[in-house]
Amino acid sequence: SQKIEQNSEALNIQEGKTATLTCNYTNYSPAYLQWYRQDPGRGPVFLLLIRENEKEKRKERLKVTFDTTLKQSLFHITASQPADSATYLCALLRGTYKYIFGTGTRLKVLA
Amino acid sequence: NAGVTQTPKFQVLKTGQSMTLQCAQDMNHEYMSWYRQDPGMGLRLIHYSVGAGITDQGEVPNGYNVSRSTTEDFPLRLLSAAPSQTSVYFCASTGQEGRSPLHFGNGTRLTVT
Repeated sequence: SQKIEQNSEALNIQEGKTATLTCNYTNYSPAYLQWYRQDPGRGPVFLLLIRENEKEKRKERLKVTFDTTLKQSLFHITASQPADSATYLCALLRGTYKYIFGTGTRLKVLA
Repeated sequence: NAGVTQTPKFQVLKTGQSMTLQCAQDMNHEYMSWYRQDPGMGLRLIHYSVGAGITDQGEVPNGYNVSRSTTEDFPLRLLSAAPSQTSVYFCASTGQEGRSPLHFGNGTRLTVT
């Protein structure tokens, strides 16, 4: 069955550094992969979408890569700030309508 | 623009009780879905709907019922609550599968004792 793996352990980094989060998937070749941010007590909020024919996508300090050969997406936050501290989820579409989410990686940016 | 609204925010039930979690969206989205989020398990799809009158099962549908009589509303019913249904429930909607982001509500935290 489709499986998405994200680092379950929290990632602590120093303010100003680049945070890199990993999303690995198996048994499927999704046409789209999405990244979300979730703050405590809130629903996930969409950040970026990348298509299978795109290697890289950028939005301000955020960058996502998508390697369909490795079945992996990397999510980068450059010049990280304490306000970037949150849980980050990756998601892919299985079939036409079933979105499958990873368990998320908790990021803490230390001032 | 309210987006996706879920009610209630918190609920405590006794085993065997029934209740309905409400979800409404004002974006005219055809696709709506329900997820549960448990520690270490991530978001798991319970049921989804691709339009009024059309629903289908997700990964963990047992113990839950849904219906979609209007585009705006997608309620989730627990007919006989069990402690295993203690979780945080999220409703989400989107206009186009895959190519558009999911818009989430802020969740209902349910405890079944």
